[in-house]
Amino acid sequence: DAKTTQPPSMDCAEGRAANLPCNHSTISGNEYVYWYRQIHSQGPQYIIHGLKNNETNEMASLIITEDRKSSTLILPHATLRDTAVYYCIVRPGSARQLTFGSGTQLTVLP
Amino acid sequence: GAVVSQHPSRVICKSGTSVKIECRSLDFQATTMFWYRQFPKQSLMLMATSNEGSKATYEQGVEKDKFLINHASLTLSTLTVTSAHPEDSSFYICSARLQGVVEKLFFGSGTQLSVL
Repeated sequence: DAKTTQPPSMDCAEGRAANLPCNHSTISGNEYVYWYRQIHSQGPQYIIHGLKNNETNEMASLIITEDRKSSTLILPHATLRDTAVYYCIVRPGSARQLTFGSGTQLTVLP
Repeated sequence: GAVVSQHPSRVICKSGTSVKIECRSLDFQATTMFWYRQFPKQSLMLMATSNEGSKATYEQGVEKDKFLINHASLTLSTLTVTSAHPEDSSFYICSARLQGVVEKLFFGSGTQLSVL
């Protein structure tokens, strides 16, 4: 799986958009970008995934650059409950397991 | 999204005893489940891949005789920590693979194991 680089921590004000970056400069053509998050003492939660087009669902938006070497996860209106570690993972769509890096600790401030 | 149920959520046991953790996919069938371990302030580390009807595949450095995995049905995998010791204290998390055009993994809520 391609290696990803994320900032170790970020803060965001409640109600504002949280933009979490991820660099994956060695991504291959068949690899997808997945985002998961882990709230303290819970299992990871799937957020969104994409290949090359931008994606949006009820939780977040995923913006992938045209060269696919980086992406941004956007939480449009962050709440205190969005405080978690966010993991950006790159892997083929048919790959079996997920390999977790260190992620970004997002803290939403009141 | 798909639901994965993991029990118990927390267990405290004495050194030398065995502990069983259950992982169930509630609304889908999972031929493959995964077991992860997470130490405080660290990321998740894959321990083993559980395959329905066959032996589990263990990651390097994980003792298969200590961490027994059984995947007897398409909705249930169990992890048994045998002869637990304090160093086995950790957060154990299971996940189940939902097959499709693009496969996703869904995770249980985790089990905090404390060995005294």
